[in-house]
Amino acid sequence: QVHLVESGGGVVQPGRSLRLSCAASGFPFGRYAMFWVRQSPGKGLEWVALISYGGTTKYYTDSVQGRFTLSRDNSNNMLYLQMDSLRAEDTAVYYCARDREQGDYYGDVGYWGQGTLVAVSS
Amino acid sequence: QLVLTQSPSASASLGASVKLTCSLSGGLSNYAIAWHQQLPEKGPRFLMKLNSDGSHNKGDGIPDRFSGSSSGAERYLTISSLQSEDEADYYCQTWGTGLWVFGGGTKLTVL
Repeated sequence: QVHLVESGGGVVQPGRSLRLSCAASGFPFGRYAMFWVRQSPGKGLEWVALISYGGTTKYYTDSVQGRFTLSRDNSNNMLYLQMDSLRAEDTAVYYCARDREQGDYYGDVGYWGQGTLVAVSS
Repeated sequence: QLVLTQSPSASASLGASVKLTCSLSGGLSNYAIAWHQQLPEKGPRFLMKLNSDGSHNKGDGIPDRFSGSSSGAERYLTISSLQSEDEADYYCQTWGTGLWVFGGGTKLTVL
């Protein structure tokens, strides 16, 4: 059974940094691309970033490009999102999610975590 | 430009059927989408991938009451025999090279 558990959220001041983690289990982590998707309070879903199964290819939405950095540790089934220069508009629940198919699929999200809340406020 | 449009809200009675619509922006009638369900205060759940020809791949444990269909640039999610636990937000999602997009979501109320 696929299980994705996010951690690392919290309250942080504007301009500061935060690192989110996602612990994956129940599937061969190193074979799947992974996403971060966020949801601002009362709003819809917004794709944030994707990292390929090997970690060599990364894509970011324009609003976080240059501020957020994706990484993964396939040996320990962990996904990370380093968030620097945080802004109030980054306030959201951040979901870790798995590509539906393995390899270079890069398509629909097949599994979701329960999310971790990041609040950027002074 | 990759844009998905959904009606903000829909409602239907307990036991009835409802058809939710996701519209792809112009020229994208051959794109596949995915449907996701988000129950109140929960993380989303993948329902199905829906292709332009109407074929679909459902997620684990998704009941037969949930089905998908396609017509041109429109993608549909039909939920039959509505139950109270179907009251949720429903999002469509599509993707291109280096870009993933969600629709604004439809809030379904079961009367």
